[in-house]
Amino acid sequence: GAGVSQSPRYKVAKRGQDVALRCDPISGHVSLFWYQQALGQGPEFLTYFQNEAQLDKSGLPSDRFFAERPEGSVSTLKIQRTQQEDSAVYLCASSLKRQLNTEAFFGQGTRLTVV
Amino acid sequence: AQSVTQLGSHVSVSEGALVLLRCNYSSSVPPYLFWYVQYPNQGLQLLLKYTSAATLVKGINGFEAEFKKSETSFHLTKPSAHMSDAAEYFCAVSVTGSARQLTFGSGTQLTVLP
Repeated sequence: GAGVSQSPRYKVAKRGQDVALRCDPISGHVSLFWYQQALGQGPEFLTYFQNEAQLDKSGLPSDRFFAERPEGSVSTLKIQRTQQEDSAVYLCASSLKRQLNTEAFFGQGTRLTVV
Repeated sequence: AQSVTQLGSHVSVSEGALVLLRCNYSSSVPPYLFWYVQYPNQGLQLLLKYTSAATLVKGINGFEAEFKKSETSFHLTKPSAHMSDAAEYFCAVSVTGSARQLTFGSGTQLTVLP
């Protein structure tokens, strides 16, 4: 597709349930980023991949959060044993090059609600 | 360390009026600065970015922003608001220009009144 695609668009999970959020970056984009956007807040960095390598996971809030990009394309963000504070919009972004100062393109996000 | 403060979580303007969305930043090194727009149920779209080439930056949809180092500001303006400008706007700062190190403000919701 032409842009970054995320699925599902909406997810309701019961507290304690595991969820998996998918990101399809723009074809050929080397870098992939996950952000978490809580209600009324700006996005906050979670993790970053360069191809299949996860180079930075400093923003992951707990060890219940796990991200992977095994073939350097599609990425999955997994949250285990979801808690109410995990409710947020999860944004994925990709950029073409490894170089700095390269524009990142964002997907529409997945809105996760934990009940 | 870097941070961004957006003054005013909600701004309302009349159609045709000037749009002014305020952003102040804090950075220990010369920053890269960005404005993103988020329409309902859409992802973030880059409006414009400052990379030290010019202090007045022109972006898409008639928006522009001026980098003022003395005021540590990067306010977003548009001379004449259009109904289609109604959205949430985020200012962001990065010391490297990479999305990896983007720090976002909390956003300003722009309402355009007919």
